[in-house]
Amino acid sequence: GAVVSQHPSRVICKSGTSVKIECRSLDFQATTMFWYRQFPKQSLMLMATSNEGSKATYEQGVEKDKFLINHASLTLSTLTVTSAHPEDSSFYICSAPGSRTTEAFFGQGTRLTVV
Amino acid sequence: GQNIDQPTEMTATEGAIVQINCTYQTSGFNGLFWYQQHAGEAPTFLSYNVLDGLEEKGRFSSFLSRSKGYSYLLLKELQMKDSASYLCAVLDSNYQLIWGAGTKLIIKP
Repeated sequence: GAVVSQHPSRVICKSGTSVKIECRSLDFQATTMFWYRQFPKQSLMLMATSNEGSKATYEQGVEKDKFLINHASLTLSTLTVTSAHPEDSSFYICSAPGSRTTEAFFGQGTRLTVV
Repeated sequence: GQNIDQPTEMTATEGAIVQINCTYQTSGFNGLFWYQQHAGEAPTFLSYNVLDGLEEKGRFSSFLSRSKGYSYLLLKELQMKDSASYLCAVLDSNYQLIWGAGTKLIIKP
């Protein structure tokens, strides 16, 4: 099946710094990438939808200036958490729709800890 | 609003059978997914149902009733490695995935 590679898998950063998370589609072109956040014992919460070559669409309540999304190519989407705070500590996962308009292919996830 | 309900936690015995239920109320329906998620990892696709009935895939089967807004995931011959969270997700009319909170399945020897 299709592979989405997400890096880093774990990152610890100091409060106030920025962290970039990358998601690459390895064997297919992803015009769309979904970015999720998952807090412990909770479900996936869609943060934003990135579209290659255009601005991302953010879900209500998600700060655009804090979570910067760039989808500059058909194989790479990035999420930058700017001026991170401890409450941003979470599990961030990207996913891309597959060749069918059905199954989503997930990255491995990034565990972000802000200290 | 859109809502997906599934039990928070279930416990089963190794070698047994377990059924995880999911009920949903969404704006439109373009299919229902089951994903398996081990702690600290991303979800892994298990099954997709868009028509009523049972889809069997090895030890795992998934059932859908669109009229009842209901699905279940059936796991047979349980193994310890099946201990994980099982997420039910519905593709709504806008082709957005609406996620349930997940069911944590604990397998005991």
